[in-house]
Amino acid sequence: QKEVEQDPGPLSVPEGAIVSLNCTYSNSAFQYFMWYRQYSRKGPELLMYTYSSGNKEDGRFTAQVDKSSKYISLFIRDSQPSDSATYLCAMSFYNQGGKLIFGQGTELSVKP
Amino acid sequence: DAMVIQNPRYQVTQFGKPVTLSCSQTLNHNVMYWYQQKSSQAPKLLFHYYDKDFNNEADTPDNFQSRRPNTSFCFLDIRSPGLGDAAMYLCATRGAPSNQPQHFGDGTRLSIL
Repeated sequence: QKEVEQDPGPLSVPEGAIVSLNCTYSNSAFQYFMWYRQYSRKGPELLMYTYSSGNKEDGRFTAQVDKSSKYISLFIRDSQPSDSATYLCAMSFYNQGGKLIFGQGTELSVKP
Repeated sequence: DAMVIQNPRYQVTQFGKPVTLSCSQTLNHNVMYWYQQKSSQAPKLLFHYYDKDFNNEADTPDNFQSRRPNTSFCFLDIRSPGLGDAAMYLCATRGAPSNQPQHFGDGTRLSIL
C-alpha cells in the first residue's frame, strides 16, 4: 500500500464547475499538507499549504484536511480552462528534513 | 521572476556519457532537493542538502551524485546514464524551519540516446 493514494484521473469538467480532488494517506505522523499544480513541462507550483485539520481558503481554492480520517481535499470553484493541469497532493513529517511524499497526481481538464 | 532556476531545460546525452544538471536559487534557502519525475508519476526524492550536509535517500542509485559548492547552487551528476534515467529532474528549495513549504524549479528534461 502506498503511503499517499490519489486517483490519477483523468478528470474532465466543463468550465464553471466545482472540482473536488482528494488524497488519502496511511501514516498518521504526517504533519504538513500541500497541494501543488503542475502544468505540462513545468515544475510543481505551490497552491495551498496547511498543517491543521479544517479548511483553508485562497480565492477560488479551498483545501480541507481531516486528520481523523486521514483524508485531504482540494476544491476549485468556478473552474477555468487555465486550471487544466496535474494536481499533486504532498505531505511531510515534522522532521526528516522536510521530505515530501507525493500522491501520483490527478490530471484535470476544464473544457470551455 | 524565477526564484529556482534550472539549466538546461532540455538535455540530451548518450547512453553512458556523464551529464551534469544545474540548479540555482535566489531565495537564500538552507535546503536544496533533487527529485526525479518519470512520465505520469509522482516526483521521487533522490537526495537533499541542508546547508552543506548531504542526505542521500536509501534507494537512490550510486550512479547519481550531487554537489553544492555554495548556498545558491546545486548540481546533479549522473555518472553513467542508462535508458531508465530518462526523466524530468526537479530541483526544490526550502527555508528553515522544517515546516516551510518547498519551492520548485521548472525542471530539466533528460533524454538518453
